[in-house]
Amino acid sequence: GESVGLHLPTLSVQEGDNSIINCAYSNSASDYFIWYKQESGKGPQFIIDIRSNMDKRQGQRVTVLLNKTVKHLSLQIAATQPGDSAVYFCAVGGSQGNLIFGKGTKLSVKP
Amino acid sequence: EPEVTQTPSHQVTQMGQEVILRCVPISNHLYFYWYRQILGQKVEFLVSFYNNEISEKSEIFDDQFSVERPDGSNFTLKIRSTKLEDSAMYFCASIGRGNQPQHFGDGTRLSIL
Repeated sequence: GESVGLHLPTLSVQEGDNSIINCAYSNSASDYFIWYKQESGKGPQFIIDIRSNMDKRQGQRVTVLLNKTVKHLSLQIAATQPGDSAVYFCAVGGSQGNLIFGKGTKLSVKP
Repeated sequence: EPEVTQTPSHQVTQMGQEVILRCVPISNHLYFYWYRQILGQKVEFLVSFYNNEISEKSEIFDDQFSVERPDGSNFTLKIRSTKLEDSAMYFCASIGRGNQPQHFGDGTRLSIL
């Protein structure tokens, strides 16, 4: 089955810097990848997703990169703001539409 | 923007008691999910539901768990005889059709005493 892992449990950045959060997955047949942001006391909030037919997708201040060769996924946040402080999860789409989550990276933004 | 809503936000229950967690998915969504998150850990899939039946369930979703869509708006998770290890956040999610991101509610914190 699929397993999803994150490289760092915590990340601290200065306000205005760019943040990069990394994720690895195990199943080379996986074709749907998604990033969620979770603030304290809230549910996962959709940020951006990408399918395996793409290697890059951009949103507002966020970019997701997919490297299928090494089964690696990253989330880049440009000009990180204090409101970006949260736990970030990558998730991989399972065969029946369920999501398999990684453990999460806690992003702290220093003013 | 439409939201998935969950009630109650916090449920405290004695071990061995039955508990029902309620969710109102986004209107016109067709696929429904329950996940749980033990404190400080990752979100884990429990069950998916489509067309009034379970489409997939994880190992966690044993005979103590059941789901139901009793009417056109509610989606419930029942735990028949709660155990201490059932203490967790339980999240409901829904999507309108395949190839869309799942939208999550803010969860119910279940505390088993």
